[in-house]
Amino acid sequence: DADVTQTPRNRITKTGKRIMLECSQTKGHDRMYWYRQDPGLGLRLIYYSFDVKDINKGEISDGYSVSRQAQAKFSLSLESAIPNQTALYFCATSDINEQFFGPGTRLTVL
Amino acid sequence: GQNIDQPTEMTATEGAIVQINCTYQTSGFNGLFWYQQHAGEAPTFLSYNVLDGLEEKGRFSSFLSRSKGYSYLLLKELQMKDSASYLCAVRFYGQNFVFGPGTRLSVLP
Repeated sequence: DADVTQTPRNRITKTGKRIMLECSQTKGHDRMYWYRQDPGLGLRLIYYSFDVKDINKGEISDGYSVSRQAQAKFSLSLESAIPNQTALYFCATSDINEQFFGPGTRLTVL
Repeated sequence: GQNIDQPTEMTATEGAIVQINCTYQTSGFNGLFWYQQHAGEAPTFLSYNVLDGLEEKGRFSSFLSRSKGYSYLLLKELQMKDSASYLCAVRFYGQNFVFGPGTRLSVLP
């Protein structure tokens, strides 16, 4: 079974719609992250959380919000999706020395 | 800023050796990571360096010079399956990871 899971794996939506991407982990890590990946730009950090009561903005948080419902769950929301949010989104957890990534969610905003 | 630089693309021949370089700004440095990512898939961990020197793990080795803000990933005995993107990531104090743009490696027969 996968240690970090993401749902949905693929999503097509329209401009202005609200979208939630969900992430769950069974690794028992306190630290969780949301990244987006665009061709040629690598992984860019959207939000991160070091424990259930801790939420921090990353490099590109505008247009996004997150919720840390439990140690194992970290959700990313797009309140009003726009086309330039079309990207591959990854959730990750980490211990001291390594990050573990989910399989990714491919989001297309039309 | 915390810029991390890598070459965009590299090409090498099956069976050869390739070195992928990574440079970063040294302020707040607290560890360097290399990940492999096949197209459309999640990154997977390859190596971790926090002290100067070479870390060897099978066909893959990673080197770090903290004073120079420099690392490289060395891939030996290249195989076709090594065609992928290789991501350099730096952890800064506060446990924030910053990723480079990735190097797309093509291994040719």
